[in-house]
Amino acid sequence: NAGVTQTPKFRVLKTGQSMTLLCAQDMNHEYMYWYRQDPGMGLRLIHYSVGEGTTAKGEVPDGYNVSRLKKQNFLLGLESAAPSQTSVYFCASSYSGVYIYEQYFGPGTRLTVT
Amino acid sequence: RKEVEQDPGPFNVPEGATVAFNCTYSNSASQSFFWYRQDCRKEPKLLMSVYSSGNEDGRFTAQLNRASQYISLLIRDSKLSDSATYLCVVFTGNQFYFGTGTSLTVIP
Repeated sequence: NAGVTQTPKFRVLKTGQSMTLLCAQDMNHEYMYWYRQDPGMGLRLIHYSVGEGTTAKGEVPDGYNVSRLKKQNFLLGLESAAPSQTSVYFCASSYSGVYIYEQYFGPGTRLTVT
Repeated sequence: RKEVEQDPGPFNVPEGATVAFNCTYSNSASQSFFWYRQDCRKEPKLLMSVYSSGNEDGRFTAQLNRASQYISLLIRDSKLSDSATYLCVVFTGNQFYFGTGTSLTVIP
């Protein structure tokens, strides 16, 4: 099992450009999440999904969109990149159910917006 | 008020020392609790779940006090390889909430 994978690993964008980050998991998890991590801020939830075809906003959703067309994939889009979106982006997935299990994280995408 | 608060440290301790990290959470309805470890420029990985009765995994002991909304992690006999950032994580509703992390450096 590859677990959770993210592409790309690194990216540099100019202000105003758009891009899509791809997250894929092979563990048949229902829940998937996108976070950003900035120095001194911890991980902050951008959007999440509790199943195929469903998405919901997290703590910091502005400037981002997501889609979950297939259970194993969760895409994060930046429509018009801004320098404030320079960050490390982590995708995670987890089982759902009565008992809350751990999240499994991807290796991260380091994005710089100039 | 933040959902999860941690002392950011840094904690610098000698090998073999015992060190404790604390964390508080704001929502009394929170359902599940975890400690994650994050190495520099890497993804977070689960260290241990935290149960109401307290639980131990080798040199690591986690405690939960629901009445005080307080979580702790104790590391005994610190190793150089324990150097990392430790994240307190709370699950509430459909979301995981992360503390900003406590930095630990174990010194030879």
